[in-house]
Amino acid sequence: QQQVKQSPQSLIVQKGGIPIINCAYENTAFDYFPWYQQFPGKGPALLIAIRPDVSEKKEGRFTISFNKSAKQFSLHIMDSQPGDSATYFCAARGNEKLTFGTGTRLTIIP
Amino acid sequence: EAGVAQSPRYKIIEKRQSVAFWCNPISGHATLYWYQQILGQGPKLLIQFQNNGVVDDSQLPKDRFSAERLKGVDSTLKIQPAKLEDSAVYLCASSRLVQETQYFGPGTRLLVL
Repeated sequence: QQQVKQSPQSLIVQKGGIPIINCAYENTAFDYFPWYQQFPGKGPALLIAIRPDVSEKKEGRFTISFNKSAKQFSLHIMDSQPGDSATYFCAARGNEKLTFGTGTRLTIIP
Repeated sequence: EAGVAQSPRYKIIEKRQSVAFWCNPISGHATLYWYQQILGQGPKLLIQFQNNGVVDDSQLPKDRFSAERLKGVDSTLKIQPAKLEDSAVYLCASSRLVQETQYFGPGTRLLVL
C-alpha cells in the first residue's frame, strides 16, 4: 500500500526533447507528491511538487501532470538540456512520511 | 543559509565492525530524518525526529541500528555490528516543520566488506 512505482529505470533523450517520467501509487491517503533531482555525490533536492486537488503544475521547464482517478503522476521536462542529466525520484507523502520511487536515471545528449 | 551537513562522506569497514554517522541540520529545523539509499533504489526512511523525540522508527533495524538527537539539533546514527547488506548511502534531511520541504545533506557512503 505504501509503494510508489516509477518508470522508466533509465532514459536517454536528445537535447531539446521532452523526457517523461511516470509514477503510480496505490494509497489514496497520500496527500502530497514531490519530485526530487539528484546529481552524483549529492543528496536529493526538491524540484517541484503537487497536491492531489490540482491536475497540473508548471515551474519553469518542469511540469507535473496528475491523474487522481488513475493514481498516476508524471514529470515532463521541456527543452531538456545536458545539465538536466541526473537521477529523478518521485515521492508520495502519507502519515507525514515520504515514500520514494526507485528513480530514473536521465541522460540528455547534446 | 547553510545546508544540511554530514560526516564522514565515505566510510569503509569490515562486517561486524561498528560505525557512526553525524548530521547537523539546517538551523531552526525541528524535524530531522535519516534515510538509507541502496544503490539503484530510492531513499528509505529509517527514523524521524521531531526536536529530540522519535516520531517514527518503524523501519529502523533496532537490533543493530540506533540513532539519537541530543538537544534537538545534531544527530548521530550508529550501526553495530555492520552487515554486508548495510552498504548504502545514508542521507540526513531536515525540515522546518514536519509538513514542509525536506532538505537533504550530501550523504555518507558506507561500504561494508
